[in-house]
Amino acid sequence: QQPVQSPQAVILREGEDAVINCSSSKALYSVHWYRQKHGEAPVFLMILLKGGEQKGHDKISASFNEKKQQSSLYLTASQLSYSGTYFCGTDNQGAQKLVFGQGTRLTINP
Amino acid sequence: DAGITQSPRHKVTETGTPVTLRCHQTENHRYMYWYRQDPGHGLRLIHYSYGVKDTDKGEVSDGYSVSRSKTEDFLLTLESATSSQTSVYFCAISESGWAVMNTEAFFGQGTRLTVV
Repeated sequence: QQPVQSPQAVILREGEDAVINCSSSKALYSVHWYRQKHGEAPVFLMILLKGGEQKGHDKISASFNEKKQQSSLYLTASQLSYSGTYFCGTDNQGAQKLVFGQGTRLTINP
Repeated sequence: DAGITQSPRHKVTETGTPVTLRCHQTENHRYMYWYRQDPGHGLRLIHYSYGVKDTDKGEVSDGYSVSRSKTEDFLLTLESATSSQTSVYFCAISESGWAVMNTEAFFGQGTRLTVV
């Protein structure tokens, strides 16, 4: 089942912070975050595993709340290059199927 | 950049015709995936492969078939294209499954398919 992302879109000024949320109706084994710029392929940002392990970007952080079946992506002191659509992908079975949310469009203005 | 190539990059085809999209990788990764991307729906998994000749269905597999006869190639076939299959198709590869710490999926540049 597709995870739900919120907000669907957000507009910020450069230097402001943003939080993007991802919720699943099922227990999560892992959460993946990707960013896609217009007309380009999605690019890996973060992976968070059940149990607390994570690997990812040095300027973007994320949390994984197993009990609430949620993950949040934190973008601090946003830069123009952060603009794009962010997707969370959730793995409910610890297996091969990663299901992506509908995306959150982030626009950073000067 | 990961060595992953999709072909063709753009295609216009008529309703009812068969279409095959190709994903070629030079990374020797075990897992390969086909996603479609449509406005408001994000990326939806069509089929995936976890080894040569090992494939399974994703969320939206109806009307699609896949084949993987070699590690490096993963083919997606629309047996009889319909207008609802107009979309951007992305291939992705990963070394291991999604629940492994060092898994990072690399996506191809996409194929824009229009069915008229």
